Amino acid sequence: DGGITQSPKYLFRKEGQNVTLSCEQNLNHDAMYWYRQDPGQGLRLIYYSQIVNDFQKGDIAEGYSVSREKKESFPLTVTSAQKNPTAFYLCASSNAVNNQPQHFGDGTRLSIL
Amino acid sequence: AQTVTQSQPEMSVQEAETVTLSCTYDTSESNYYLFWYKQPPSRQMILVIRQEAYKQQNATENRFSVNFQKAAKSFSLKISDSQLGDTAMYFCAFMNINAGNNRKLIWGLGTSLAVNP
Repeated sequence: DGGITQSPKYLFRKEGQNVTLSCEQNLNHDAMYWYRQDPGQGLRLIYYSQIVNDFQKGDIAEGYSVSREKKESFPLTVTSAQKNPTAFYLCASSNAVNNQPQHFGDGTRLSIL
Repeated sequence: AQTVTQSQPEMSVQEAETVTLSCTYDTSESNYYLFWYKQPPSRQMILVIRQEAYKQQNATENRFSVNFQKAAKSFSLKISDSQLGDTAMYFCAFMNINAGNNRKLIWGLGTSLAVNP
């Protein structure tokens, strides 16, 4: 089945530690996105990538980094510079050329130890 | 800059009844898409319905339909014959398709819908 896989489902971070959230898609989509969702809030865009080896900052990129070395993969690193990382993280992808809607993974919940 | 406003933080409806969720948006663009997404307690984000701005006909997907008023910049979602499985957060989203490589979604804050038995 085609889809988006996020792992792990739950992640814990210690103070001063970098952690990486995985996002893989087999939909052959060009565009991929990372969102952060806090309780009772909408989605806020962290980073997005329209093509391999290229990505742009979203609205809340500080304390995060990404890479897009392969079309199917868009990992997100939450660095120690992100002082409030506890949130639900959603990865999405879309076929941007045809303006197709974004498809989402099941999310990763990140908490501070 | 585009904005999306959902003025109803919480709503409830009895099973089998109809409910309408409101969404307004602000843009100077003429060519865009609008979406409704559903996020049930499982937290997975699911596309409910999509509307292209150039289409005058309102989109419909089974029990879900929209009332798209382009001049008023309004995009409400109607859920008919509500079912318990419709209990979820509902998000309205806007995409400017003339934005080139900045073609990203602008999200509302969501409406929490509870369907009561």
